[in-house]
Amino acid sequence: EDQVTQSPEALRLQEGESSSLNCSYTVSGLRGLFWYRQDPGKGPEFLFTLYSAGEEKEKERLKATLTKKESFLHITAPKPEDSATYLCAVPVFSGNTGKLIFGQGTTLQVKP
Amino acid sequence: GAVVSQHPSRVICKSGTSVKIECRSLDFQATTMFWYRQFPKQSLMLMATSNEGSKATYEQGVEKDKFLINHASLTLSTLTVTSAHPEDSSFYICSATVRTGGWEDEKLFFGSGTQLSVL
Repeated sequence: EDQVTQSPEALRLQEGESSSLNCSYTVSGLRGLFWYRQDPGKGPEFLFTLYSAGEEKEKERLKATLTKKESFLHITAPKPEDSATYLCAVPVFSGNTGKLIFGQGTTLQVKP
Repeated sequence: GAVVSQHPSRVICKSGTSVKIECRSLDFQATTMFWYRQFPKQSLMLMATSNEGSKATYEQGVEKDKFLINHASLTLSTLTVTSAHPEDSSFYICSATVRTGGWEDEKLFFGSGTQLSVL
């Protein structure tokens, strides 16, 4: 069964305290992994797409990495404005129809 | 970047009434639109996939007669929650895709969501 699992469910950090979020997946024939940021009451905002094991992408204090079984979102020296829920998702296909399966998210709180 | 506009952002209605939510792609023509619902502290659950001019494909367990989806054009999809009940209260989010080649070229953009509260 195609599944995406994120951990931890919630994470509290002090400003400047680096950490990592995990996204593990069981999907046959991975064709990409997406990371999104979601603020309360808002739709997800696209962060990264990773397509192959070993790939890395960076944006400001965030860096996403991908292996054959999981992806990490590394947050370096986070700031309070990085507080949000971070979602990962993978596409699955039935014929030519694709859809995203989302993990349950990690809610990050960064305290000043 | 591409913008997906979703309206209304919040709606409160009485039990038994119908509510329509609009999703528009403002500066691109969407190949496909998706509708998700999200309960508090839970992830997005896909409800249905719609392609312009064809019937929506509903996920297992989603009542197509209750959640009516109309994808009349490449820039507009609507979700109508018919005879809404308190258990339909949720955060509904639309997304739109545009594909210029293979999956690797597909971009997925989300609306800002609609919080539905049924009294």
